[in-house]
Amino acid sequence: GQQLNQSPQSMFIQEGEDVSMNCTSSSIFNTWLWYKQDPGEGPVLLIALYKAGELTSNGRLTAQFGITRKDSFLNISASIPSDVGIYFCAGQNSGGSNYKLTFGKGTLLTVNP
Amino acid sequence: NAGVTQTPKFQVLKTGQSMTLQCAQDMNHEYMSWYRQDPGMGLRLIHYSVGAGITDQGEVPNGYNVSRSTTEDFPLRLLSAAPSQTSVYFCASSYSTSGHNEQFFGPGTRLTVL
Repeated sequence: GQQLNQSPQSMFIQEGEDVSMNCTSSSIFNTWLWYKQDPGEGPVLLIALYKAGELTSNGRLTAQFGITRKDSFLNISASIPSDVGIYFCAGQNSGGSNYKLTFGKGTLLTVNP
Repeated sequence: NAGVTQTPKFQVLKTGQSMTLQCAQDMNHEYMSWYRQDPGMGLRLIHYSVGAGITDQGEVPNGYNVSRSTTEDFPLRLLSAAPSQTSVYFCASSYSTSGHNEQFFGPGTRLTVL
């Protein structure tokens, strides 16, 4: 099956710093999604990417769909304490009746005030 | 809209017991799925459904059954619980728009099997 490698596994940063994390795949996807999970909650969709090379922002978050379609990156600028949580990438070959997501193992982000 | 709801939020079972985890969505989404989340493993797909009356296996289906009699509901059944099924279970639903399917997750059920 498809494998997603997400890195880093965890990050400890100071408030105000920028953060970068990425996902790489052994095969191509036509959709990349980035989710955030707060403690005790379900994942919440942050950004969806649908086109190779696409760069999309959501507030302080920016994500890119790699040109090879095998990777994606998420950047968080000027981190704040509420950015704490687990960030997951997910790849999908959407279209028709294919809805299945393949998830990375997550990046645990800790922000020190 | 309530979105995706899951019950119960917490559950403790003894080995061999059976139970059903409930999932419902009020967004008229055609696609629903169940994932389990274990430390260091991310989210793994158990079963999914692309519409009422249609279900299929995901990555880790053994020990779980599902059915989809209505668009709104997608229960997950554990017929004989095992300690290896201790996990957090998430239900998700999705719609299709312009060929894109963005999944929305419920709050999760935390299951412990003793």
